[in-house]
Amino acid sequence: KAGVTQTPRYLIKTRGQQVTLSCSPISGHRSVSWYQQTPGQGLQFLFEYFSETQRNKGNFPGRFSGRQFSNSRSEMNVSTLELGDSALYLCASSTGLAGYEQFFGPGTRLTVL
Amino acid sequence: AQSVTQPDIHITVSEGASLELRCNYSYGATPYLFWYVQSPGQGLQLLLKYFSGDTLVQGIKGFEAEFKRSQSSFNLRKPSVHWSDAAEYFCAVGPNRDDKIIFGKGTRLHILP
Repeated sequence: KAGVTQTPRYLIKTRGQQVTLSCSPISGHRSVSWYQQTPGQGLQFLFEYFSETQRNKGNFPGRFSGRQFSNSRSEMNVSTLELGDSALYLCASSTGLAGYEQFFGPGTRLTVL
Repeated sequence: AQSVTQPDIHITVSEGASLELRCNYSYGATPYLFWYVQSPGQGLQLLLKYFSGDTLVQGIKGFEAEFKRSQSSFNLRKPSVHWSDAAEYFCAVGPNRDDKIIFGKGTRLHILP
């Protein structure tokens, strides 16, 4: 079974621009979660989508948004990029049922200049 | 509030030596507990998980962890490390009252030849 895939793997943007990251979960998984990973803050939860609905949200500004499609693929968008948004963005998929076991993709490394 | 602490930011051991990575948590009931490993440039991979039952859990790559309720700990162990074990290790606990899994800050493991 194919794992979680994320595209692109690397991205360089400038301040003020916007960016869209994509995540394809494991086949059959209906839940997709997004995390931001930085050296200073560690892994921080952004949001979770389950069956096209946002089920949970972390403490990030409204510039961070996401959506999930009917095939469970998910996109994450960051508008008006700031230098502090430079990070590794990880996507994790799960069945969404009790157990909470998540399978992570390789991440998208975003650099904001 | 629920929390997870990994007291050691960095750990260095010699190849072939035994390893123990510490994880302490704060949780009102019996939590779900996880250990993940992240190699450079990669996403997180699940090593093992504890939900209930036997408090000694076996995982992949020769790792094991022991749930100790009295000490609120879930330490990760390996009897003999290999150079390929050099990575960052994350302990996670949940779900919290927002139904999220909380990750520790991670412990970076260095292996001496």
